[in-house]
Amino acid sequence: RKEVEQDPGPFNVPEGATVAFNCTYSNSASQSFFWYRQDCRKEPKLLMSVYSSGNEDGRFTAQLNRASQYISLLIRDSKLSDSATYLCVVSNTDKLIFGTGTRLQVFP
Amino acid sequence: GAGVSQTPSNKVTEKGKYVELRCDPISGHTALYWYRQSLGQGPEFLIYFQGTGAADDSGLPNDRFFAVRPEGSVSTLKIQRTERGDSAVYLCASSPRQGQNEQFFGPGTRLTVL
Repeated sequence: RKEVEQDPGPFNVPEGATVAFNCTYSNSASQSFFWYRQDCRKEPKLLMSVYSSGNEDGRFTAQLNRASQYISLLIRDSKLSDSATYLCVVSNTDKLIFGTGTRLQVFP
Repeated sequence: GAGVSQTPSNKVTEKGKYVELRCDPISGHTALYWYRQSLGQGPEFLIYFQGTGAADDSGLPNDRFFAVRPEGSVSTLKIQRTERGDSAVYLCASSPRQGQNEQFFGPGTRLTVL
């Protein structure tokens, strides 16, 4: 079983749609949680950190449920430029543990 | 300012050859990480340096893989007797200090072993 599990998608949504990604992790000792974005043939870039209290950055909302070991990302009012792979990431030391990523394709 | 840079951007080699991949972290970043990303997968941790020393090398797949950071800045990942299964994108990341901080990734080196 992978340490971080994500649905690989692809999720194909029209512009303006709301889309949600989920992720589960197996190591209950994990302390830090992130969503990274990766464009095709590019390096991963931090989208946002995830906190138990939930956090929002513009159209993006991330949520962590430690009891269920579950992380979510909600994207509202999808833009064409949101098309990318979204990587769920956990850490309990200095190294990052990545999920396989969920591919999002936003169409006009 | 300059981000993490990696050279070469692409490397094609033959099975059994030796390769070196270089990473220049962001100036002043003391922590440096190597990851490997295969097609359709997320990056997988290989090794982490704090300063000149390897703080965690638990992700290196076998003893054909070795990495150094002799002066606490540039790092080189070395792969001996390459195998076709080593083909992947090798990503380097740096962060200002150890701990669970944002890691800034370089563009990667795409290694193809024929």
